[in-house]
Amino acid sequence: GAVVSQHPSWVICKSGTSVKIECRSLDFQATTMFWYRQFPKQSLMLMATSNEGSKATYEQGVEKDKFLINHASLTLSTLTVTSAHPEDSSFYICSARETGNVQPQHFGDGTRLSIL
Amino acid sequence: AQKITQTQPGMFVQEKEAVTLDCTYDTSDQSYGLFWYKQPSSGEMIFLIYQGSYDEQNATEGRYSLNFQKARKSANLVISASQLGDSAMYFCAMREGPSGGSNYKLTFGKGTLLTVNP
Repeated sequence: GAVVSQHPSWVICKSGTSVKIECRSLDFQATTMFWYRQFPKQSLMLMATSNEGSKATYEQGVEKDKFLINHASLTLSTLTVTSAHPEDSSFYICSARETGNVQPQHFGDGTRLSIL
Repeated sequence: AQKITQTQPGMFVQEKEAVTLDCTYDTSDQSYGLFWYKQPSSGEMIFLIYQGSYDEQNATEGRYSLNFQKARKSANLVISASQLGDSAMYFCAMREGPSGGSNYKLTFGKGTLLTVNP
């Protein structure tokens, strides 16, 4: 089945640093990838939709300059949390939609980000 | 108004019994899709079952079935013969618009935490 790999799975860093999270579709091409944020015991909130070769579409209230998204190829999207602060600590999870396939999104295993 | 409502924050079930997790949705689109995902404590999202708005039959996948009542706008998940490994968070989600369209965003409910007791 379709596999989405997300890396790293856990990161702890100091306030003010930037953190990059990668989302890769391993055995399929993904024109569209999605980035979600999830706080403890809460639902997934869509942050942005990432389209290969074009700018990401951000949801209302999500800071574009804070959360930089790059989708440079059909198998890789990256989310960079710039100048991270403790309030950015959360669980970030990506998903990918297989190009031309109407099947459901395939999710990565998520990244737990802790900013000290 | 919330697009996806899951009214049960937590549910308990005895091992080997069946359990129904509720989900109601709100959309004005005629074409839409409904999904259920399972999220264990480790965090990954596991796709369970899908129901299209035009599907006449209720979806089934092994021990999972979706009780789709279109007029009531409900899409309840039924898990038969519960197992200890079913203990997890369960999310109902909706895609509005046709599956072949350009909009493939999912809106998630708040989830139901299912605990299976031995």
